[in-house]
Parts: sequence; C-alpha cells; structure tokens
Amino acid sequence: SQQGEEDPQALSIQEGENATMNCSYKTSINNLQWYRQNSGRGLVHLILIRSNEREKHSGRLRVTLDTSKKSSSLLITASRAADTASYFCATDRRNDYKLSFGAGTTVTVRA
Amino acid sequence: DSGVTQTPKHLITATGQRVTLRCSPRSGDLSVYWYQQSLDQGLQFLIQYYNGEERAKGNILERFSAQQFPDLHSELNLSSLELGDSALYFCASSSSGTNTGELFFGEGSRLTVL
Repeated sequence: SQQGEEDPQALSIQEGENATMNCSYKTSINNLQWYRQNSGRGLVHLILIRSNEREKHSGRLRVTLDTSKKSSSLLITASRAADTASYFCATDRRNDYKLSFGAGTTVTVRA
Repeated sequence: DSGVTQTPKHLITATGQRVTLRCSPRSGDLSVYWYQQSLDQGLQFLIQYYNGEERAKGNILERFSAQQFPDLHSELNLSSLELGDSALYFCASSSSGTNTGELFFGEGSRLTVL
C-alpha cells in the first residue's frame, strides 16, 4: 500500500495563482521528498525535507513538514503553464531502502 | 536529462511472453531502483540493488526478476506476461547507499501486453 496520500487528487488554477497540495503518511519517516512528473515522462526530484526540518524553500517552491500530524504540504507560488504536471510525495524510513510514493496530485495551470 | 537510460522505450507483446527491460544508471551511482506505474496501482516499488546486491524488495511478483551487473547496469525480467502487467516501468538511480536520498528517474519503458 502507498505510504503517502496526496490531497487533492486534482487541482486547476489560473496562471499566476498559487497551488497548494498536501501529503499525509502513516508511519515515522526519515525524509520526505516531492517529485514532479510531466505526462508520460520520468519523475523529476523537486525537494527533500528531513524529518527534523519544518520548512524548506527552493525557488518558487515551499515545503512544510509536520511530523506530529504526519503531513507535508507543497506550495508552488506564481504558477506558470509549465508547472502543469502531477506531483508526488515520497517517504522513506530509517534503515528502509525503498522510497514509497503517494498517488499524486494532478495540477493544471490555465493560461 | 537525468542521466538514467532505459531501453526499450516502448514494447508491445502478447500474454505468456517474456521481456527484458534494461537500465543504465547515472555515472557513479551504485543504487538502482525499479518501479511500476499503472493507472490503478500508482507507483509501486519493485526492487532495489546496491553495487550488485539486492537490498530491498517490494511488491515484485514471482514472475518478475531483476539483477544488477558488475558494470552497474540493471535488467528487469518479466515472464509469463499477463494483461495486468501492462504499465510504465521506471528505473531510478541514486548515489546514496545508506538511505534513499534523491532519485534520478529514467524516462521509463512502456509495456503493453495484448
């Protein structure tokens, strides 16, 4: 079963707006990562946040992590048409070598 | 370009057949991961190798097997194929051996079983 679950499943926004998606997971984690996948393409790593971190920024991306609630959020600011993609959170656990992905959030940015 | 190469990009075959998917990791990466992506199951972890040795196993069917060779390329063998095996198969590599870290994904091999 998936370790992470994203919410919402789909999101449609206007160019220039912000997009926020959430990820919840079930067990204690070592790291949480976010990936982007353009339709039918390979996944691209966006950002990694460690379990002892609460917030991280990378360009227009802002990720938060709340380990007490077992949840994370990804904020994309000032969205662009090129941000149209599926976004996945992925978690790994200490001494567990696999990275488990959620079902993803499909984001459509309208011009 | 992630630096991870997967071949073939597309593959169409019949039920009962066997196929081999190949992956060349990024230069210097010792870890290779295989994932299956389908509409109903999402991204499923299959198996991971580190420097030639199997390190983690996920929801990999007994009909599937994999290996990592001394030159670090990896192959995923799928046999006795069923319609439900139709999916996008991804290989990813990582430089980390002790925890997962950032994965670099190939463009995938799309398998269609008819």
